[in-house]
Amino acid sequence: GEQVEQRPPHLSVREGDSAIIICTYTDSATAYFSWYKQEAGAGLQLLMSVLSNVDRKEEQGLTVLLNKKDKRLSLNLTAAHPGDSAVYFCAVSAGNNNRIFFGDGTQLVVKP
Amino acid sequence: GPKVLQIPSHQIIDMGQMVTLNCDPVSNHLYFYWYKQILGQQMEFLVNFYNGKVMEKSKLFKDQFSVERPDGSYFTLKIQPTALEDSAVYFCASSFGQGEVFFGKGTRLTVV
Repeated sequence: GEQVEQRPPHLSVREGDSAIIICTYTDSATAYFSWYKQEAGAGLQLLMSVLSNVDRKEEQGLTVLLNKKDKRLSLNLTAAHPGDSAVYFCAVSAGNNNRIFFGDGTQLVVKP
Repeated sequence: GPKVLQIPSHQIIDMGQMVTLNCDPVSNHLYFYWYKQILGQQMEFLVNFYNGKVMEKSKLFKDQFSVERPDGSYFTLKIQPTALEDSAVYFCASSFGQGEVFFGKGTRLTVV
């Protein structure tokens, strides 16, 4: 079955710096890719989703890159601020409402 | 964005008793999911549900677990009987079809 690895597990950056989180997956049939943000004690907030025909997507200071050849998905927070501090999860699926496989999460801390 | 509501937010129950977790999915969504998260760790897939039927379930979806959505009302997860290891945060999610999956804020279940 699908194996998703996410790194780093912990990331600390200064306000204004960029933060990059990477996930790799194993199933070449994976077609749907998402990033979620989870603040302490809260639910999952969908940040961005891309389909497999998209290599790059940018929205509101977030950039998602998809490298299908290497089976790698990344999230880049440009100019991070303290409000970005949370746990970030990548999530992948084969699409068609198949089960979603999550990475183990990255605890991001943005220091003022 | 679209909201998935979960009721209650916290539930404490005696081991061996039955518990029902309620989820009010996004109104026009057709696919429904339950995930389990222990102590802010990895999100673990339990089950997905469409057109009144379980489509897929994981090995975590024990025989004591059941799901239903009678007449388009709440999508429920029932555990009967509960065990100590069922203590976790349970997240409900829904999607329309080929699109994004939205999660609720979770129900924290404590079995004592």
